[in-house]
This record gives sequence, C-alpha cells and structure tokens, in this order.
Amino acid sequence: QQKVQQSPESLIVPEGAMTSLNCTFSDSASQYFAWYRQHSGKAPKALMSIFSNGEKEEGRFTIHLNKASLHFSLHIRDSQPSDSALYLCAVSISGSWQLIFGSGTQLTVMP
Amino acid sequence: GGIITQTPKFLIGQEGQKLTLKCQQNFNHDTMYWYRQDSGKGLRLIYYSITENDLQKGDLSEGYDASREKKSSFSLTVTSAQKNEMAVFLCASRRTSSAETLYFGSGTRLTVL
Repeated sequence: QQKVQQSPESLIVPEGAMTSLNCTFSDSASQYFAWYRQHSGKAPKALMSIFSNGEKEEGRFTIHLNKASLHFSLHIRDSQPSDSALYLCAVSISGSWQLIFGSGTQLTVMP
Repeated sequence: GGIITQTPKFLIGQEGQKLTLKCQQNFNHDTMYWYRQDSGKGLRLIYYSITENDLQKGDLSEGYDASREKKSSFSLTVTSAQKNEMAVFLCASRRTSSAETLYFGSGTRLTVL
C-alpha cells in the first residue's frame, strides 16, 4: 500500500529565502507526482506536477523528482509572505485512480 | 471553468447520529473523491468513484458509506458520528486520466456533540 511522507512538518523562513519541502513515497510504480497548496480556511489547489525524473520550473517554483530514491521535492525561490500555507504532496500509481496525499508541511514566511 | 459545491458548509450532529454530506460538480468530470482532513493535517482518502454508480473504498472507509447516483454528484454518509471524527471533509473531482489535476470543493466542517 502506497505510503507518502512529508518533511519537515513545519517550517518558518524569512522573506526572500529559498524554501525546500520534501516528499517520499513507497511504491516504485508511482507515475504522477504533484504539490498542492492550501491557504488557511481554503480548498487545496494544485501547484505543480511532474511525471518523469528531473526538474520542472514554473516561476519561483521548482519541482524535482528522483524515482530511484523514491523522493521528490518542491523548492520556492524568493519566498513571499503570501506563500505561507499548508503544502501537500500527492502521488498516484500507474493504473490506479487513487491519489494519496502526505501529511503536509506548514510553511510560514516572515516579512 | 467549473465549480465544486459542497453542502452544508457546517454540519453539527449528535454522537451516534447518521449524517449526510453532499457534493456537486459541473466540470463534467468522471472521477470524484471524498477526503477527510483533520485539523492542519494531510488528506486521507475515504471513498472514490471512477464513474456513475461506481464506488471504491479508500484507506479510511470504515464508518462511512458513499453514493454516486449521477455523474455530477457524490454523497458521503457518516453512519454513526463519533467525536474523534470531527474534521473537514473535502470533495474533489478530476477527468478520466489518473494523471490529471484534482479540483477541490471548499469543504464541510463536521462537529459532533
């Protein structure tokens, strides 16, 4: 059964810092890897996704996937107070409709 | 664009009571999901449905029933509400491919007295 774990549980960074969030998964047949962001009291929204090994950059956000090490990460360049939110990683296995989420990283960016 | 509407936004029930949460989507998505989010934590999958009249159990299905009678709607029933399942229940949907983005409703917050 797929296990998805996130670290750290919470993180406080100053404005302008580089932030790195981590996610590990247990099933090597996983094919879809995504980060969702949830501001306080709001619905989660998809941020970025990746399917194959390597990196993908969108603006200040970069997602990095290493399937061999069962790990992917989200990096936020020049972190802003508006980035303060709960970040959730999610993984699905090839051929499965289930999307399994991690337990979340609460990010606070201090002005 | 589309929207996912969850009703009610707040649901208060007594311990042992049967309670129903409703979800409607106008994306015309095939697949729908129910997740539970305990305070400030991650999402745990309760039930999902690949198409109308299909139901699949997630890891947290015990104590819940679900119903998908129409493509656009997906209901979740708490069969006997317990104090330890006070949480926000999130409905989501996506297109047929399992690699597509999930879209969420704004949630139903359950309180059990």
